[in-house]
Amino acid sequence: KQEVTQIPAALSVPEGENLVLNCSFTDSAIYNLQWFRQDPGKGLTSLLLIQSSQREQTSGRLNASLDKSSGRSTLYIAASQPGDSATYLCAVSQPLYNFNKFYFGSGTKLNVKP
Amino acid sequence: DAEITQSPRHKITETGRQVTLACHQTWNHNNMFWYRQDLGHGLRLIHYSYGVQDTNKGEVSDGYSVSRSNTEDLPLTLESAASSQTSVYFCATSGGASGSHYEQYFGPGTRLTVT
Repeated sequence: KQEVTQIPAALSVPEGENLVLNCSFTDSAIYNLQWFRQDPGKGLTSLLLIQSSQREQTSGRLNASLDKSSGRSTLYIAASQPGDSATYLCAVSQPLYNFNKFYFGSGTKLNVKP
Repeated sequence: DAEITQSPRHKITETGRQVTLACHQTWNHNNMFWYRQDLGHGLRLIHYSYGVQDTNKGEVSDGYSVSRSNTEDLPLTLESAASSQTSVYFCATSGGASGSHYEQYFGPGTRLTVT
C-alpha cells in the first residue's frame, strides 16, 4: 500500500528565507504528484501538479520537483512571506481498477515570522 | 468561475440522528470524492463516484452512504450519527478518466460535531 510521508511536520522560519518542504512515497508507480495548501478552517487549494513524466513545475515563487525513482518530491518556496503560513500537503495518485486513488501525506505546518 | 460548494459549513447533531452533507460542483467533472480529515489520520477516502448512478466505497465507508443522480451533486449521508464521526468533511472533484493526469479540486469543508 502506498505510504506518503512529509517531513518536517512543522517548520518555523523568518520572513525572506528560502525553504524546502519534503514529500516521500513508497511506490513509484504514480500518475501525478500534487501539492496543496490548507489554511486553518479552510479547504485544500491546489498549488502545483507534476505528472509522472515531468521533473518539475513552477508557479511564481513555488517550484516543485519530482524524482519518481527515489520516491521523492520537494516544494521550494523562495523569499518566504508571512502570507505563506499554512499547512502544505502532498498527494500522489495511482490507478486502482478504473479509478485514480489519491494518497495524502499528513502535511507540513509552515509558520513564516515577520 | 467553476467551484465546489458544501453545505452546511458547520453542523452539530446528536448521536443516532441521520445527517446529510451536501456537495455541489460546477466544474462539470465526472469524478467526485468524499474525504474526512482528522488529526493523526490525515485525509481518508469515504466514498467516490465516476458519474451518474455510480458510487463506490472508500477506505472508511462504514456508516456512510452516497447517491449520484446528476453530475453536479454528491450528497453524503450519515445513517445514524456516532461520536466517532465528528470530523471535517471535504468534497473533491477531478476530471478525466482513470490514468489521466487531472488534478483534484476541493470544497471548503463541513465541520460536523456529533454530541
